[in-house]
Amino acid sequence: ETGVTQSPTHLIKTRGQQVTLRCSSQSGHNTVSWYQQALGQGPQFIFQYYREEENGRGNFPPRFSGLQFPNYSSELNVNALELDDSALYLCASSLRGGYTFGSGTRLTVV
Amino acid sequence: GDSVTQMEGPVTLSEEAFLTINCTYTATGYPSLFWYVQYPGEGLQLLLKATKADDKGSNKGFEATYRKETTSFHLEKGSVQVSDSAVYFCALSSAPRGNQGGKLIFGQGTELSVKP
Repeated sequence: ETGVTQSPTHLIKTRGQQVTLRCSSQSGHNTVSWYQQALGQGPQFIFQYYREEENGRGNFPPRFSGLQFPNYSSELNVNALELDDSALYLCASSLRGGYTFGSGTRLTVV
Repeated sequence: GDSVTQMEGPVTLSEEAFLTINCTYTATGYPSLFWYVQYPGEGLQLLLKATKADDKGSNKGFEATYRKETTSFHLEKGSVQVSDSAVYFCALSSAPRGNQGGKLIFGQGTELSVKP
């Protein structure tokens, strides 16, 4: 098993910019979810993709969008970055309810 | 909506002390329950899980029992070590078993610090 890999590990962006975060799912996992973890808080569900289709969304604005590719890897895109978007972004892949998390991307918006 | 409430931290214990971290939940239906651990600078690691009432999840000396009557899933360990220092998250998923997996709803986390 290769596990879940996220890139980059750290990122600094300026308010108003756009950012793309990437996630490679664990081998065989067809579902990917993204979470935002603010400092000192629990992760908050952003959205989930199953076989390249969005399959559930949390309480995040449309400027948070995603893609899942045929190999089940995924991207999280955030437009018009705001200071409050600074957080750890976690990707989790799953198969039949078993979740595996990546180490996350630390995004800082200045 | 569904929610998870954990006891607030930080929790500071001496090595070999007994650990309890309380977790209660609110959910419709029959959720699966999880404990995740996060070490500094890292992502989340699954510690243990339980998928139905009265199930006991266990791993690395940690245990938690799914109590439907009290809607609780308290984490316990009989003798903690310095290496157990981390943040612990209780979570639930309301996806039906056999589904591809629904969203996880997390508590706010409890920081544990174990002193030698």
